[in-house]
Amino acid sequence: AQKITQTQPGMFVQEKEAVTLDCTYDTSDQSYGLFWYKQPSSGEMIFLIYQGSYDEQNATEGRYSLNFQKARKSANLVISASQLGDSAMYFCAMRERRTGTASKLTFGTGTRLQVTL
Amino acid sequence: DVKVTQSSRYLVKRTGEKVFLECVQDMDHENMFWYRQDPGLGLRLIYFSYDVKMKEKGDIPEGYSVSREKKERFSLILESASTNQTSMYLCASSFTGAAYYNEQFFGPGTRLTVL
Repeated sequence: AQKITQTQPGMFVQEKEAVTLDCTYDTSDQSYGLFWYKQPSSGEMIFLIYQGSYDEQNATEGRYSLNFQKARKSANLVISASQLGDSAMYFCAMRERRTGTASKLTFGTGTRLQVTL
Repeated sequence: DVKVTQSSRYLVKRTGEKVFLECVQDMDHENMFWYRQDPGLGLRLIYFSYDVKMKEKGDIPEGYSVSREKKERFSLILESASTNQTSMYLCASSFTGAAYYNEQFFGPGTRLTVL
């Protein structure tokens, strides 16, 4: 079974609107971390935001926020006031204790976001 | 700023050739990773290393090997390249330990085509 599921292969959003990119995860661990990365057409992966499983507050970084619903095992990325430069692939990833070393990440298949005028 | 560099952005090789992909990081990170990225499959971990000369298999190690002789450098080796290894290869590095917030820093990627 997939550990990270991103069900939206592609999304469109108008400039200045907010958009939510979905991510659900599967783990039996109590301690884990969730990450979102952005990959522009240049190819480099850019870290956006992190949420720890014990964090009580939803993480925020500028225009990015993470809507963390632990009971539902979802960690959706919300981008407010979309800009043309937000057009990119977005990946959700998880780090679990069970992967043998705490450093390994498991990635979802990604969502391609296109921001339109 | 953390810098992860990869030796080539684009590479074209022939079937059966031995291929070396090099990755260098300048932040003294203990961990280094090699992923391949294919459309619809996301990033899949090939190998990673948590110390010099130490390595562990990831999810798809078949057909690949790695070398880490120095802390800053992690090489991915395709012993005999095949067309199904045509892909984007991404290198990453991170600090070690059980700190879940330690994000991975990525290089720009190498797009490898095997003819």
